[in-house]
Amino acid sequence: NAGVMQNPRHLVRRRGQEARLRCSPMKGHSHVYWYRQLPEEGLKFMVYLQKENIIDESGMPKERFSAEFPKEGPSILRIQQVVRGDSAAYFCASSPGVSDTDTQYFGPGTRLTVL
Amino acid sequence: AQSVTQLGSHVSVSEGALVLLRCNYSSSVPPYLFWYVQYPNQGLQLLLKYTTGATLVKGINGFEAEFKKSETSFHLTKPSAHMSDAAEYFCAVSDQGGRRALTFGSGTRLQVQP
Repeated sequence: NAGVMQNPRHLVRRRGQEARLRCSPMKGHSHVYWYRQLPEEGLKFMVYLQKENIIDESGMPKERFSAEFPKEGPSILRIQQVVRGDSAAYFCASSPGVSDTDTQYFGPGTRLTVL
Repeated sequence: AQSVTQLGSHVSVSEGALVLLRCNYSSSVPPYLFWYVQYPNQGLQLLLKYTTGATLVKGINGFEAEFKKSETSFHLTKPSAHMSDAAEYFCAVSDQGGRRALTFGSGTRLQVQP
């Protein structure tokens, strides 16, 4: 059973460009979470999605950031007009969405560098 | 609101020595508690979790943690450190179960000296 897949693993963008990060959940998982890890810090929650539905986006910056999890295909985290402060590791996690005792399984992350 | 405090951003032990990584949490409701390990340039791997029931939780790689409600703690221990245990360890809490956002501590980097 393949784990959570994220691509690309490394992404370099210049200031003002767009960054698109992809996450394919584990097979059978219908819930996806995005977290951001700044250097030397813990992970900070950004957004929680089910298929075609955003459940909780309380951690998302109000501007430039958006996320989706379409009926078909991976979840996408989009960052428009990137700035140097967006440089971080972005982790996706997935869970079955069945029970409160669910475990979130994490992908290897996408490391975004903004020049 | 929930929060997690991990005391000690860096912990160094000798190979074969006891590992103790501290985690204190705050939560307005009975919490779900997690320990994850992160190896360099990798994602997080679940070590163990507490949801309900037995307060002493055993995880992978010989780690265990005890939920102490009176102390609001969930410290991670391992009787004998191995070189392969060197990594970053994160404690996390959720007050709404595993289907909701996790709040992470800032992490503890464990070094194991030969």
